[in-house]
Amino acid sequence: SQTIHQWPATLVQPVGSPLSLECTVEGTSNPNLYWYRQAAGRGLQLLFYSVGIGQISSEVPQNLSASRPQDRQFILSSKKLLLSDSGFYLCAVGGDQPQHFGDGTRLSIL
Amino acid sequence: DQQVKQNSPSLSVQEGRISILNCDYTNSMFDYFLWYKKYPAEGPTFLISISSIKDKNEDGRFTVFLNKSAKHLSLHIVPSQPGDSAVYFCAASASNAGGTSYGKLTFGQGTILTVHP
Repeated sequence: SQTIHQWPATLVQPVGSPLSLECTVEGTSNPNLYWYRQAAGRGLQLLFYSVGIGQISSEVPQNLSASRPQDRQFILSSKKLLLSDSGFYLCAVGGDQPQHFGDGTRLSIL
Repeated sequence: DQQVKQNSPSLSVQEGRISILNCDYTNSMFDYFLWYKKYPAEGPTFLISISSIKDKNEDGRFTVFLNKSAKHLSLHIVPSQPGDSAVYFCAASASNAGGTSYGKLTFGQGTILTVHP
């Protein structure tokens, strides 16, 4: 079965600082990978998805970027965080079955 | 533009009764629908799904109904249990979005379900 590892679980960062969130997947190969964000009181919004190494599609213009350096590794980054980047970030794996989510990273920007 | 809407932010139900969670969508290209359950500080957990070729799918206490003409789906939980208390999200996908039939998901805002003992 698939396992998704996301870290850290919580993160507090100052405005203007860089960000790197990592997601790794076990139990599958060549998965579709997704980054979602849930802002306070809102639903989940798709940020990026990837169908293979080095392939990234962005869904909304924003202050964030994503990379997929390995088949089962998906990284979410920012050079300078904004207050509006606060939220709950979720990595998901999909492909031939309904998307399965990690436990997320709670990001607070001060 | 909110393509998937859950108009009820919260629902309170007594244990043993039926919980009905509703979801509306606007994009006629959506042909696959899912329900997820989410506890605080955890990722969503997949519950049940339905393809647009069906109007009903059942899995134990959970049944999802799809009304394509009304662009409406609902999740029924019978009987409701206190452990069902969580946030429920509906999500929709269009075939081949992202290259597979399980492609990019568009989520509703969620409904907080509280089941009282």
